[in-house]
Amino acid sequence: DILMTQSPSSLSASVGDRVTITCRASQSIDKYLNWYQQKSGKAPKLLIFAASTLQSGVPSRFSGSGSGTEFTLTINTLQPDDFATYFCQQSFSSPPTFGGGTMVDIK
Amino acid sequence: QVQLQESGPGLVKPSETLSLTCTVSGVSIRSYYWSWIRQPPGKGLEWMGYIYYSGLTTYNPSLMSRVTMSIDTSKNQFSLKLMSVTAADTAVYYCVTGPFYFASWGQGTLVTVSS
Repeated sequence: DILMTQSPSSLSASVGDRVTITCRASQSIDKYLNWYQQKSGKAPKLLIFAASTLQSGVPSRFSGSGSGTEFTLTINTLQPDDFATYFCQQSFSSPPTFGGGTMVDIK
Repeated sequence: QVQLQESGPGLVKPSETLSLTCTVSGVSIRSYYWSWIRQPPGKGLEWMGYIYYSGLTTYNPSLMSRVTMSIDTSKNQFSLKLMSVTAADTAVYYCVTGPFYFASWGQGTLVTVSS
């Protein structure tokens, strides 16, 4: 299985900050990388697929980049609604696997 | 708009079989691949497998010996069975669209394995 490693595991930020989360794959996954947001007690929500394509309805302050083994999720101008846990997931090979998550909380 | 709703017992005894059903609305179950994903309390996400309306299935090798998925196109439902459960199978179970990335999710259902 492909191991997905996220960093940091948690971070504290303020409204208006720019936040960057990193996801690394144990082998090259081209651009087969997806990002999800999960709020407490809720199901995850797809934000970005294919490394950089914004899912319909997702605010443009979210962006993704990267290819191969290193990827980033950037949230520009952090909003109160963005405090949540973020997961990356590879869809390059079966089984699809997830990173351990990055919790973004209020500083 | 795809809507998914999980249903099934919230408590299962060790060594027994966990059974869940996902009811799909807003779209024909023939339209997508359908997966199950689970999340132990406070932990990460694990993909369990997918099924297509034809009955084609692919399972996570880590669970392959214990998991079975089925589909009922007449009811627009698909189902999960996980045999010989232990406390480690306690988790929120989600039904979702997609074989490889997951755009629509059910609200999830907590299944606790305990005697």
